[in-house]
Amino acid sequence: GAVVSQHPSWVICKSGTSVKIECRSLDFQATTMFWYRQFPKQSLMLMATSNEGSKATYEQGVEKDKFLINHASLTLSTLTVTSAHPEDSSFYICSARRRTSGSPVYNEQFFGPGTRLTVL
Amino acid sequence: AQSVAQPEDQVNVAEGNPLTVKCTYSVSGNPYLFWYVQYPNRGLQFLLKYITGDNLVKGSYGFEAEFNKSQTSFHLKKPSALVSDSALYFCAVSPEERSYIPTFGRGTSLIVHP
Repeated sequence: GAVVSQHPSWVICKSGTSVKIECRSLDFQATTMFWYRQFPKQSLMLMATSNEGSKATYEQGVEKDKFLINHASLTLSTLTVTSAHPEDSSFYICSARRRTSGSPVYNEQFFGPGTRLTVL
Repeated sequence: AQSVAQPEDQVNVAEGNPLTVKCTYSVSGNPYLFWYVQYPNRGLQFLLKYITGDNLVKGSYGFEAEFNKSQTSFHLKKPSALVSDSALYFCAVSPEERSYIPTFGRGTSLIVHP
């Protein structure tokens, strides 16, 4: 099956610093990648959708200047949390939709293992 | 707008007994429905999906789900639960109007007791 990796798996940083999280599709090309945020025992909240070579589309209420997303290639998307604060502490999950022809609904989204961010 | 409801925060079942995790949905257009499982500190794993065809969908690890259009439900089931099935389960709907981006339910914690 398709594999999506995230790096790092966990990170602890000081308030005010920036943190970059990488999401890679290891054995397939992903036209679209998604970034989610998950609070403890809660559902996934979609933050943004990124398409290779174009600007990310952010969900309402998500600050684009704080959560910078770059989708530089068909296998890599990065999320940078700028000037992180304790309230940004969360579990961040990316997912990738495989590039195929036909309706995207027939294609699974493959999820990364997540990155636990703790801001002190 | 689309929505997914998982009415139970937690489901408890004894090992060997059948289990059901409930999901209802609201969407305009065709309901493309999914179930995912999440183990602690891990990403989501795909279990099964309903796109079209038979209402009973079989998926990974012995799970199945029944699509019921009249009740707008897509309940997840398994005939005999295992302790290793204990995890967080998410139902999701992927509407065409949202470019098939899934909207997730809040999740149901399944606890299987030995």
